[in-house]
Amino acid sequence: AQSVTQPDIHITVSEGASLELRCNYSYGATPYLFWYVQSPGQGLQLLLKYFSGDTLVQGIKGFEAEFKRSQSSFNLRKPSVHWSDAAEYFCAVGILTGGGNKLTFGTGTQLKVEL
Amino acid sequence: DAGVTQSPTHLIKTRGQQVTLRCSPKSGHDTVSWYQQALGQGPQFIFQYYEEEERQRGNFPDRFSGHQFPNYSSELNVNALLLGDSALYLCASSLGTAVGEKLFFGSGTQLSVL
Repeated sequence: AQSVTQPDIHITVSEGASLELRCNYSYGATPYLFWYVQSPGQGLQLLLKYFSGDTLVQGIKGFEAEFKRSQSSFNLRKPSVHWSDAAEYFCAVGILTGGGNKLTFGTGTQLKVEL
Repeated sequence: DAGVTQSPTHLIKTRGQQVTLRCSPKSGHDTVSWYQQALGQGPQFIFQYYEEEERQRGNFPDRFSGHQFPNYSSELNVNALLLGDSALYLCASSLGTAVGEKLFFGSGTQLSVL
């Protein structure tokens, strides 16, 4: 069965500093990988996704992620964090089975930004 | 263009009761998925509806059931509520069931079971 591990429960960075959030997945086939962000009281918003091709994918809000098959990782990065980036970030793997599809999420990383 | 709307936003029930949560998908979307997000956890897939049929189901008991209407809106029903059912219930819509389709999430219904 597929699974996603986000090793860091909380991360604190200073505004303007770089950011990397870790994600490791377990899935037998080529994974469909996603990063979502959730602000307090809000639903989830898609930041970026990877299916195939270039292993470095660009997303919204200046985020990027790199797929590394050998490490089963899909880490999220941002060169310079803004205070508005404070939120919870979820990595997910998507699978297509039967007549539908589903996402399996990690437990999330809570990002705090110090001004 | 309205996004995904869910109602109610908050709900308090007691153990053993039944609850119905509602979701209107984003305009033009025909697929609705439901997720349960317990406090401090990531969302867990409950089920997905397309063409008024349940297409995919997660590891949830039969107490959790759903429905999709011809206008693509959906309901999630939970019977015989347990304390452990307390969570944020998220609805997501998409155009079709392809795994690559972008999901649009609502803000959720916060269910508290006392």
